[in-house]
Amino acid sequence: DSGVTQTPKHLITATGQRVTLRCSPRSGDLSVYWYQQSLDQGLQFLIQYYNGEERAKGNILERFSAQQFPDLHSELNLSSLELGDSALYFCASSVAYRGNEQFFGPGTRLTVL
Amino acid sequence: KNEVEQSPQNLTAQEGEFITINCSYSVGISALHWLQQHPGGGIVSLFMLSSGKKKHGRLIATINIQEKHSSLHITASHPRDSAVYICAGFTGNQFYFGTGTSLTVIP
Repeated sequence: DSGVTQTPKHLITATGQRVTLRCSPRSGDLSVYWYQQSLDQGLQFLIQYYNGEERAKGNILERFSAQQFPDLHSELNLSSLELGDSALYFCASSVAYRGNEQFFGPGTRLTVL
Repeated sequence: KNEVEQSPQNLTAQEGEFITINCSYSVGISALHWLQQHPGGGIVSLFMLSSGKKKHGRLIATINIQEKHSSLHITASHPRDSAVYICAGFTGNQFYFGTGTSLTVIP
């Protein structure tokens, strides 16, 4: 158990809908990262937050947004969902904003029908 | 061409064998990560390297900054090492992932 929690574990929804994925980092970690893993694209980095502020941005679509709250949990919002958004979404946390080992959550499996 | 290339894509080894997985990158990175993804999907960070060599148990990771190359070695491989191993380069504001090496260790 990494200490990083993600909810929900599984999510099934329809095209055009909006969903919110939640991540709670390990106690004491200030950085949260979001990743998408799909069968055809592999792992992709979406975005990083550190202590409430966006620190790095990867291949995150405009339909997706994220934020980190004062209690350091983070949410990833996915809107206008398409079939291609079906994937495993992982969050990870680390102590600092760079240069540290990341601890991964168990992931949220999103299926868009 | 991908920014991070791994080889081999698939690897089958007998228990006890010494295993090497290679990772080459074409972008300037500040750190190189090695991840292990279990068959159930969970991801564990094995190493984060910016220079030199790190060892943890039977796992050794090395990086050569000049050659833009990193290797992950597993000594005395065991069936529980069967997993997908992924390297990722961090540029400071972006992660680039390799496509992974699927390792199967046969008893």
